[in-house]
Amino acid sequence: QKEVEQDPGPLSVPEGAIVSLNCTYSNSAFQYFMWYRQYSRKGPELLMYTYSSGNKEDGRFTAQVDKSSKYISLFIRDSQPSDSATYLCAMLNQAGTALIFGKGTTLSVSS
Amino acid sequence: GAGVSQSPSNKVTEKGKDVELRCDPISGHTALYWYRQSLGQGLEFLIYFQGNSAPDKSGLPSDRFSAERTGGSVSTLTIQRTQQEDSAVYLCASSFGSKEQYFGPGTRLTVT
Repeated sequence: QKEVEQDPGPLSVPEGAIVSLNCTYSNSAFQYFMWYRQYSRKGPELLMYTYSSGNKEDGRFTAQVDKSSKYISLFIRDSQPSDSATYLCAMLNQAGTALIFGKGTTLSVSS
Repeated sequence: GAGVSQSPSNKVTEKGKDVELRCDPISGHTALYWYRQSLGQGLEFLIYFQGNSAPDKSGLPSDRFSAERTGGSVSTLTIQRTQQEDSAVYLCASSFGSKEQYFGPGTRLTVT
């Protein structure tokens, strides 16, 4: 079992839809959870990170962490065509020296 | 301000040759990371530098891979005797703490 699992999609939604992206993980020691967005042929861009369980909101984006289920989510409200990208979840390893990434979910938002 | 920069953006090399990839981190960031992104494996950690501490090399896939960071700033990743399986995008990131890592655009390496 990989440490971080993420459905690769692709996920296609119409403009204005609410999008839910998810990851599961196996190591209960993870404390910091990140979401990155990556456009084609670009480097990953940090959207937000959360510590431990709970929710965090930033504009149209909400990150949720459920440590009891080892499950994290990113919600995108009022999705836009510009949100079309690959979304990567990541967790900070216990040593705090590296991020462990999911393989990414490709999202397409059509106008 | 300026982000992380990497050079070259693309590199094509013949199997068996050595390559050097360069990373310029964000000014003031004390930590620097190298990752590799390939189609089959996703994004994988290679090496981590923090200040003057010994680097965490636990992600380097073989002894053909090495990296150095000079003066606490610029870093070079070297791959010796390149193999076709080394073809990937090599990404550099920097941070002030460890949580907010900012990535460069990457170097796309193709080994023919």
